[in-house]
Amino acid sequence: EAGVTQFPSHSVIEKGQTVTLRCDPISGHDNLYWYRRVMGKEIKFLLHFVKESKQDESGMPNNRFLAERTGGTYSTLKVQPAELEDSGVYFCASSQQETEAFFGQGTRLTVV
Amino acid sequence: AQSVTQPDIHITVSEGASLELRCNYSYGATPYLFWYVQSPGQGLQLLLKYFSGDTLVQGIKGFEAEFKRSQSSFNLRKPSVHWSDAAEYFCAVGEYGNKLVFGAGTILRVKS
Repeated sequence: EAGVTQFPSHSVIEKGQTVTLRCDPISGHDNLYWYRRVMGKEIKFLLHFVKESKQDESGMPNNRFLAERTGGTYSTLKVQPAELEDSGVYFCASSQQETEAFFGQGTRLTVV
Repeated sequence: AQSVTQPDIHITVSEGASLELRCNYSYGATPYLFWYVQSPGQGLQLLLKYFSGDTLVQGIKGFEAEFKRSQSSFNLRKPSVHWSDAAEYFCAVGEYGNKLVFGAGTILRVKS
């Protein structure tokens, strides 16, 4: 069974550009989470989808970030326009109901 | 607000020696507690979790953790460390399900 897959693994963009991160959860997992780790800081919660609905987006830093999960399958996280402070590792996780969350390898985003 | 403190940023132990990684949390209710590990180039992997019941929890790879409510601690232990245990370890508390608040992480180095 495939795990949680994230694309790309690395992305380097210039300040002001747009970047879209993708997460493919484990098949059948209704719950999908996005987290972010800024350099040297804790991993922080961004938002939680249940199927295609945003259950909790309390961790989204500002309106430059847009997350979608069309059809309740894969999810995208768009940053537009990117700022220097957006650099970090973005993790996606998925789970069935309240059971164990499985994390992807993360996308390392560098904004220069 | 919930918070997790991992006081040790780096720990170095000799192969075969015992290990204890510290974790303290702040949470109003009975917490869901987790330990995750991230090996180089890998995603976060769940080592063990505590939801209720026995306060000594056994996990994968020979790890265990003990929940001590009076000390608000959930320290991770392993009796004999292997070189392959070198990684970064994260303690986390669950607000609900898999909405997690992470500590800053502890980097474990194993010397031969």
